[in-house]
Amino acid sequence: AQSVAQPEDQVNVAEGNPLTVKCTYSVSGNPYLFWYVQYPNRGLQFLLKYITGDNLVKGSYGFEAEFNKSQTSFHLKKPSALVSDSALYFCAVRDRFGTSGTYKYIFGTGTRLKVLA
Amino acid sequence: GAVVSQHPSWVICKSGTSVKIECRSLDFQATTMFWYRQFPKQSLMLMATSNEGSKATYEQGVEKDKFLINHASLTLSTLTVTSAHPEDSSFYICSARWEGTEAFFGQGTRLTVV
Repeated sequence: AQSVAQPEDQVNVAEGNPLTVKCTYSVSGNPYLFWYVQYPNRGLQFLLKYITGDNLVKGSYGFEAEFNKSQTSFHLKKPSALVSDSALYFCAVRDRFGTSGTYKYIFGTGTRLKVLA
Repeated sequence: GAVVSQHPSWVICKSGTSVKIECRSLDFQATTMFWYRQFPKQSLMLMATSNEGSKATYEQGVEKDKFLINHASLTLSTLTVTSAHPEDSSFYICSARWEGTEAFFGQGTRLTVV
């Protein structure tokens, strides 16, 4: 079964420092990987995705993620954190081939990022 | 990115009543819509997947008679929580996509059953 794991419940980082939010995956075949961010009482906002190609994916708000096939990881990174980046971050994997043309998104448990001023 | 709108953003209802949540794709036609439930400080749990004009496919353990999903058009899906009870109180999120795209999420609906 497809799955993603986010090993850290919370990550604290000082403003201006680089941040990393970890994600590892377990899929059969090549994965479609995503990062989403959720602010309090809001839905999820798409940050970036990896489908194929360059292992370093650039996304919204200065975030990027590095796909590492040998380590089955897709860590989210940002060179310089902002207080406004504080939110809940979800890693997700999508089945590449669904049945009847549908797909499922499987989410990790989420990592709360706290950027300290 | 594409816009998915959920309505209402929050709702309070009495135990035993039914409540309907709407999910609309505002600027695209969604071939597939998903409904999730999120408990406090937990991840999203997929409840069901629906394609326009077809019956929804429910995940194991989700009561299809309690959580009625209708995907009548390419821009609208509804989730009706029937005979709601306090344990149904949760944050419900829909998402929508069309072929070749990632999923876009609504802003969520907080349901409180009193």
